[in-house]
Amino acid sequence: QQPVQSPQAVILREGEDAVINCSSSKALYSVHWYRQKHGEAPVFLMILLKGGEQKGHEKISASFNEKKQQSSLYLTASQLSYSGTYFCGTGNTGKLIFGQGTTLQVKP
Amino acid sequence: DTGVSQDPRHKITKRGQNVTFRCDPISEHNRLYWYRQTLGQGPEFLTYFQNEAQLEKSRLLSDRFSAERPKGSFSTLEIQRTEQGDSAMYLCASSLEDGNTEAFFGQGTRLTVV
Repeated sequence: QQPVQSPQAVILREGEDAVINCSSSKALYSVHWYRQKHGEAPVFLMILLKGGEQKGHEKISASFNEKKQQSSLYLTASQLSYSGTYFCGTGNTGKLIFGQGTTLQVKP
Repeated sequence: DTGVSQDPRHKITKRGQNVTFRCDPISEHNRLYWYRQTLGQGPEFLTYFQNEAQLEKSRLLSDRFSAERPKGSFSTLEIQRTEQGDSAMYLCASSLEDGNTEAFFGQGTRLTVV
């Protein structure tokens, strides 16, 4: 079952904040976040695991609510480089089922 | 290591022809994944390998699709008797054995079936 992302698109000015949500109808073991710029490969942002562990290497924060089967990605003080499409992926074996994506555009 | 590489980057083929794509993962990565992505959608899982073993194949995947990873290194994805609906970006990704680690994606092969 594909996770559902919201909003579908968001436009920000540099320095503004945004939240992207990912919801699943199935129990979540992990949530993976990727960003994809136009014409490029998806790039890893973060993994959130059941039990609270997080793995990531960007200055981006996220939350994982196991009970609600939801994850949220928090983009604070956005920069132009944050523009792109953000995907959440769910799964517990490494194989991921991705959401439909949230397109973020950061304007100067 | 320069990351995951895919070849070719673009392929245009006539309907009914067979095509084969290659993926070279990061050398120490045991896991290799194939995804398909169409415009405006997230990547769709096709299949994955751990070393040379194909562990899972999407039920949505037609019998015209086959993938191999003969020596646990590079992988090939073949589509037989291509159809216009096969037009998409085919992405390969690799990761360490633990499924809950970062996956590195290649640039993809864009297939256009005319």
